[in-house]
Amino acid sequence: QQQVKQSPQSLIVQKGGISIINCAYENTAFDYFPWYQQFPGKGPALLIAIRPDVSEKKEGRFTISFNKSAKQFSLHIMDSQPGDSATYFCAATYETSGSRLTFGEGTQLTVNP
Amino acid sequence: DADVTQTPRNRITKTGKRIMLECSQTKGHDRMYWYRQDPGLGLRLIYYSFDVKDINKGEISDGYSVSRQAQAKFSLSLESAIPNQTALYFCATSDRRQGAKTQYFGPGTRLLVL
Repeated sequence: QQQVKQSPQSLIVQKGGISIINCAYENTAFDYFPWYQQFPGKGPALLIAIRPDVSEKKEGRFTISFNKSAKQFSLHIMDSQPGDSATYFCAATYETSGSRLTFGEGTQLTVNP
Repeated sequence: DADVTQTPRNRITKTGKRIMLECSQTKGHDRMYWYRQDPGLGLRLIYYSFDVKDINKGEISDGYSVSRQAQAKFSLSLESAIPNQTALYFCATSDRRQGAKTQYFGPGTRLLVL
């Protein structure tokens, strides 16, 4: 049972374009929503994260938009670059989970030059 | 992340064999995790450990066992490997002060069960 649903499974974007990856969650007790970035042959690494008390968080070209009422959050990559080509995972957790992250299925992003 | 190492990086084994995947960390973190990654399924938690004496099952622990030999070492065993355990396995660590907020992953072990 996937508590965090992620889409699309794969995404191809031209250099300079906007990449958008969406996630939806079921458990309203989740209170922390990180995004992890994984390059080929590497382990995932934390990219950016948000708490549900804010609707948006921006770090450089990466922005998380959060819609608490819809139980959805998304990652926007502005001015996408070939170096952004990677697999992206959304995740969710809550304080009583005992440090358990629930991950989405992952999105393979390809940015063409 | 070089602070979290996994051995071996690649392993081919046969059905029914017992194998062990090892994870070591120099980050000084007390919490360690084992995940498997399958295409289209994301990362799924197998086992996690808050300290040497605290080990917990994750969502897909059947067919696996773990050992926390020291704060820095956490091993995953497949008692009798089967083909559907073919996957990419990741070890991760976190600091209890941050909880699950930031986990640091190793480079992964690619396992093929024939």
